[in-house]
Amino acid sequence: ETGVTQTPRHLVMGMTNKKSLKCEQHLGHNAMYWYKQSAKKPLELMFVYNFKEQTENNSVPSRFSPECPNSSHLFLHLHTLQPEDSALYLCASSQGQGGPNSPLHFGNGTRLTVT
Amino acid sequence: QKEVEQDPGPLSVPEGAIVSLNCTYSNSAFQYFMWYRQYSRKGPELLMYTYSSGNKEDGRFTAQVDKSSKYISLFIRDSQPSDSATYLCAMRPIQGAQKLVFGQGTRLTINP
Repeated sequence: ETGVTQTPRHLVMGMTNKKSLKCEQHLGHNAMYWYKQSAKKPLELMFVYNFKEQTENNSVPSRFSPECPNSSHLFLHLHTLQPEDSALYLCASSQGQGGPNSPLHFGNGTRLTVT
Repeated sequence: QKEVEQDPGPLSVPEGAIVSLNCTYSNSAFQYFMWYRQYSRKGPELLMYTYSSGNKEDGRFTAQVDKSSKYISLFIRDSQPSDSATYLCAMRPIQGAQKLVFGQGTRLTINP
């Protein structure tokens, strides 16, 4: 496989459930990101990992818990979510800071619905 | 005030038309300006980028940056149905940023 792969593609969960989103990148990049994309709102950066170390937490509620066991894998653990957390969750990777010479490569996202 | 403003559309034009997509921004520290394209049920992909002011052309696509007006544009010439997608502007300062700031995205449909 190439690029950035996210699983599952779709997820429906109740407010009391615990689930995890998975992301894997096959590009040899050293940075990985979680973004939230809601309808009619800009992409919101949630977390950034560089060389497995978390370097950015953009004031994300604790019901979202990221995990980066190595530079190729990123997880987002979900628990006691709210309906307003329903959105498309995008994983991305980059070599370096994600600027023009090292752009973000996105996965196709997990469409999350919280009931 | 949002750091980046982008009209979400939707925008619908006939095939062959020239399309103009725009973003305004408020942070004068932004130096890198990018356009991402997102097809339905896909993640965004980088389409073009420019550094500071000026124009950049790539085939049917032209990106323009006017820093004095804090205004960026993406022009699509001879638009094709395959250009139908959501276009997101994104920008960041030179230093310290793995924090691209995105616009809302403009949903574009090219009608055959």
